[in-house]
Amino acid sequence: EAQVTQNPRYLITVTGKKLTVTCSQNMNHEYMSWYRQDPGLGLRQIYYSMNVEVTDKGDVPEGYKVSRKEKRNFPLILESPSPNQTSLYFCASSLRAPTSGGNYNEQFFGPGTRLTVL
Amino acid sequence: AQSVSQHNHHVILSEAASLELGCNYSYGGTVNLFWYVQYPGQHLQLLLKYFSGDPLVKGIKGFEAEFIKSKFSFNLRKPSVQWSDTAEYFCAVNARGATNKLIFGTGTLLAVQP
Repeated sequence: EAQVTQNPRYLITVTGKKLTVTCSQNMNHEYMSWYRQDPGLGLRQIYYSMNVEVTDKGDVPEGYKVSRKEKRNFPLILESPSPNQTSLYFCASSLRAPTSGGNYNEQFFGPGTRLTVL
Repeated sequence: AQSVSQHNHHVILSEAASLELGCNYSYGGTVNLFWYVQYPGQHLQLLLKYFSGDPLVKGIKGFEAEFIKSKFSFNLRKPSVQWSDTAEYFCAVNARGATNKLIFGTGTLLAVQP
């Protein structure tokens, strides 16, 4: 089954304790992206990756890191989490960038990771 | 910078009522427009999209949206909602040529009462 998986689905942690949220897709997609969803703010892009070893900042990258060593995986790293990073996080992937080639490249979203930083 | 406004944050309707959710964007150039839906506990799914052509686009589950360029709007409509339409709805904009970026609105939470 074609899907985007995220782990963990729920995480409660404390300020300053490094954590990684994994994202994996099995569709051989080039493009992957991380969003955070907050009430009243919608989805905001954190980082995206156009392909292996190519990553770039989105709109709210502060406090986050990513890596893209393999095509299928795009982990989100919080080196020193803070309470303002409490949020719902979504990973997404698509064959290419969302509107590459003038067409819509369907975005497949993961199930979300609810993170609470105390 | 591009931005997307969804003025209705919470909407409560009875079944069979008609729905219209507002979406306005700020960007002077050509755009691609999207509506996504997030059912409770599920991930985002595409409802419909507009790239070019007929400004009235039809999506899945009886939804449609109309692009009005002069008003920078892309409102979502459904003539008769069902309880199963209870979800959060997000409008998104992509500036033509900025292939990597979708800008999402803040979302509208729709509750349909049986």
